[in-house]
Amino acid sequence: DADVTQTPRNRITKTGKRIMLECSQTKGHDRMYWYRQDPGLGLRLIYYSFDVKDINKGEISDGYSVSRQAQAKFSLSLESAIPNQTALYFCATSTDRGPQYFGPGTRLTVT
Amino acid sequence: RKEVEQDPGPFNVPEGATVAFNCTYSNSASQSFFWYRQDCRKEPKLLMSVYSSGNEDGRFTAQLNRASQYISLLIRDSKLSDSATYLCVVNPGDSSYKLIFGSGTRLLVRP
Repeated sequence: DADVTQTPRNRITKTGKRIMLECSQTKGHDRMYWYRQDPGLGLRLIYYSFDVKDINKGEISDGYSVSRQAQAKFSLSLESAIPNQTALYFCATSTDRGPQYFGPGTRLTVT
Repeated sequence: RKEVEQDPGPFNVPEGATVAFNCTYSNSASQSFFWYRQDCRKEPKLLMSVYSSGNEDGRFTAQLNRASQYISLLIRDSKLSDSATYLCVVNPGDSSYKLIFGSGTRLLVRP
């Protein structure tokens, strides 16, 4: 079984809809992250959490919110989706100084 | 200046060739370094950590030059399956301990 899972893997939604992307991990890591990647571009950090009570904005948090429900779960919400939020979204986990391990990604299309 | 800079490529090499990528980083206090591999529309996967003394994993060799603030990745005997984007990743060593991802270098290995 994969250590970091994301659901859904693919989603098409309409402008204005609320959508939640979920991430779960079995690695026992405290730190979790949400990134987006646009075609031909690098990873951009949306939000990160260093433990259940800690939430921090990344470089592109506008239009997004997160919830850290447990050590193993970190959800990303788009309150009112817009077309320029169409992207590939990755969740990742890490220890405090180690490398990050990524989930398989969620491909989101906002029409 | 970007915190982590990479030549985007693509590097187009024949099977069996040796190819090297460099990556420069701006923060001299950076503490740890990694190379990731990303296939098209897939998640980044950790290829190797980069240690001060340099390290090797099969056909892959990573080097760190702190004085010049760059890391390198050498791939020997390139395989078709090595075709991917290679991401240089740096832990800047500040209190947040977030990783900084380069935009990646694309490698194409041709028959």
